[in-house]
Amino acid sequence: AQTVTQSQPEMSVQEAETVTLSCTYDTSENNYYLFWYKQPPSRQMILVIRQEAYKQQNATENRFSVNFQKAAKSFSLKISDSQLGDTAMYFCACAYNNNDMRFGAGTRLTVKP
Amino acid sequence: DTEVTQTPKHLVMGMTNKKSLKCEQHMGHRAMYWYKQKAKKPPELMFVYSYEKLSINESVPSRFSPECPNSSLLNLHLHALQPEDSALYLCASSQETGSYTQYFGPGTRLTVL
Repeated sequence: AQTVTQSQPEMSVQEAETVTLSCTYDTSENNYYLFWYKQPPSRQMILVIRQEAYKQQNATENRFSVNFQKAAKSFSLKISDSQLGDTAMYFCACAYNNNDMRFGAGTRLTVKP
Repeated sequence: DTEVTQTPKHLVMGMTNKKSLKCEQHMGHRAMYWYKQKAKKPPELMFVYSYEKLSINESVPSRFSPECPNSSLLNLHLHALQPEDSALYLCASSQETGSYTQYFGPGTRLTVL
């Protein structure tokens, strides 16, 4: 079975600080892709960052970066210089070649002023 | 342009009604998806269309009937729904099925009375 686990149901961070959201996954596939999606209260799922499993270099997108540890099957998201607009539910997801995308349970992040 | 649009934004229907949800994308994507999302939960995959053909049906009850009239449009026909079907219904699209990035629409908030 392919599963994605987010062990932090809720987190909070002060504005301008850095926060790291954890994600682990379990798969026997060799080729897969990892994603972090953000879902603010407006409810639209927005892609934050994507990582191909075959790439060793960690993906970065402005203030967002990942720590991809393939052997440990870990894919954490670091948000630097947190902003109030980062307040949202964050979902980690893993997609496989057989059309299957699995989501974690989500982490609710609150950025405090 | 990475926009997926969905109409209506909100829908309230009785258990005997027939209604349809609509999704549209103009990114040339050949894969489209329907997800169901309950409050504070991750999205659950319902259907996948690839090149306008249904490729995945995740054991969804027949009261949900998907339709893909062309490569840009995806409908979800609803009939004889139950109150437990109340949820946010998300549409997504991707370049191809598999591990390509999925882009989500804003969703339709459905309430079944």
